[in-house]
Amino acid sequence: AQSVTQLGSHVSVSEGALVLLRCNYSSSVPPYLFWYVQYPNQGLQLLLKYTSAATLVKGINGFEAEFKKSETSFHLTKPSAHMSDAAEYFCAVSATGFQKLVFGTGTRLLVSP
Amino acid sequence: KAGVTQTPRYLIKTRGQQVTLSCSPISGHRSVSWYQQTPGQGLQFLFEYFSETQRNKGNFPGRFSGRQFSNSRSEMNVSTLELGDSALYLCASSLVGRGGSNTGELFFGEGSRLTVL
Repeated sequence: AQSVTQLGSHVSVSEGALVLLRCNYSSSVPPYLFWYVQYPNQGLQLLLKYTSAATLVKGINGFEAEFKKSETSFHLTKPSAHMSDAAEYFCAVSATGFQKLVFGTGTRLLVSP
Repeated sequence: KAGVTQTPRYLIKTRGQQVTLSCSPISGHRSVSWYQQTPGQGLQFLFEYFSETQRNKGNFPGRFSGRQFSNSRSEMNVSTLELGDSALYLCASSLVGRGGSNTGELFFGEGSRLTVL
């Protein structure tokens, strides 16, 4: 069975500061890993995904994540936060070939001026 | 290209009633999944349809059902509504490769927010 754990339900940063959102996964098979973002009153939008091609994955809006098998982690980072990054971020895992995604509980990113 | 369209966006029902939610996937996407999002339980997988067949199902009671039509549009139904069914119901579509495999990349609609009184 697959699962993900997101550490910290809320993360606060100042505009221009580094963003680091943590995600650890558990999977019995090599997983697909994803980060999705949800803005208020909207659905989820894919930021990036890991499918075993490269361990450092670059996504939209300047976000990137690194797959570390030894640490079972897939943390999301952005060098410099922008006010528009304020949203809820979800890490998700999927077994190969399956449609079902298992989501973490989400981390709300707050960005202050 | 139009995104995933869900209707209605908002609805209010009372306990014991039933509700049907509709989802139109992105053109060419043949797989449709449904998720329930609540503050307490987060995002939970309901079911997934491909080629009019339910291919995967989450851990929800039988009151939750769905179907997919030949044009890939999907509906989900919840019967005998309970207060705990109040949630944002998200539909997502995706491309499916050869042999029915997929990348797991989902494109979400904005959701249908159901309030049960």
